[in-house]
Amino acid sequence: DTGVSQDPRHKITKRGQNVTFRCDPISEHNRLYWYRQTLGQGPEFLTYFQNEAQLEKSRLLSDRFSAERPKGSFSTLEIQRTEQGDSAMYLCASSKHRDRGEAFFGQGTRLTVV
Amino acid sequence: GQQLNQSPQSMFIQEGEDVSMNCTSSSIFNTWLWYKQDPGEGPVLLIALYKAGELTSNGRLTAQFGITRKDSFLNISASIPSDVGIYFCAGQIDSGSRLTFGEGTQLTVNP
Repeated sequence: DTGVSQDPRHKITKRGQNVTFRCDPISEHNRLYWYRQTLGQGPEFLTYFQNEAQLEKSRLLSDRFSAERPKGSFSTLEIQRTEQGDSAMYLCASSKHRDRGEAFFGQGTRLTVV
Repeated sequence: GQQLNQSPQSMFIQEGEDVSMNCTSSSIFNTWLWYKQDPGEGPVLLIALYKAGELTSNGRLTAQFGITRKDSFLNISASIPSDVGIYFCAGQIDSGSRLTFGEGTQLTVNP
């Protein structure tokens, strides 16, 4: 399968703990995006990378959130000191062409903070 | 917050019926995308539109990019049970930039 891969699929953590998610984009896709989705809502943009450079961060991305893409391939999203409000589906997407906007999503990581 | 208004929020139809849903925005977008999402899964790209006025088909799906660049619609013809899911529109200002999503249309198809 050469689609976007996310790990883990599900994560349950206690409030205050740190969590890290991983995303492997489609091979040769130079742009990688993170979105967050809560129940009954559409995905909301968090941040995106072009290669290893983080080009944009949403105001939703508080200081407790950090994303990296160190070698321009896979990316990690870390949430420190998790809060119950962080419970959501975290989606990763990637795209290839600069002149076309098609973004392909992974299956997501479902985070539950208890 | 969300900038796209998607309607209807939900639809209950009989198998074989046609479906239409639309998305409007107060801002101009240069790309419109339509996705389908099943429970517990990520969105799957259905159709991408890049030019105002463009009409694009993908099997039983047809989507149009509004002339004003502030709206788009998606039609599904001859619905089948596997069409069940949540359909999202998404707009993009510049190629490769962030997507802004609508709130989704929940489609239920009764066999």
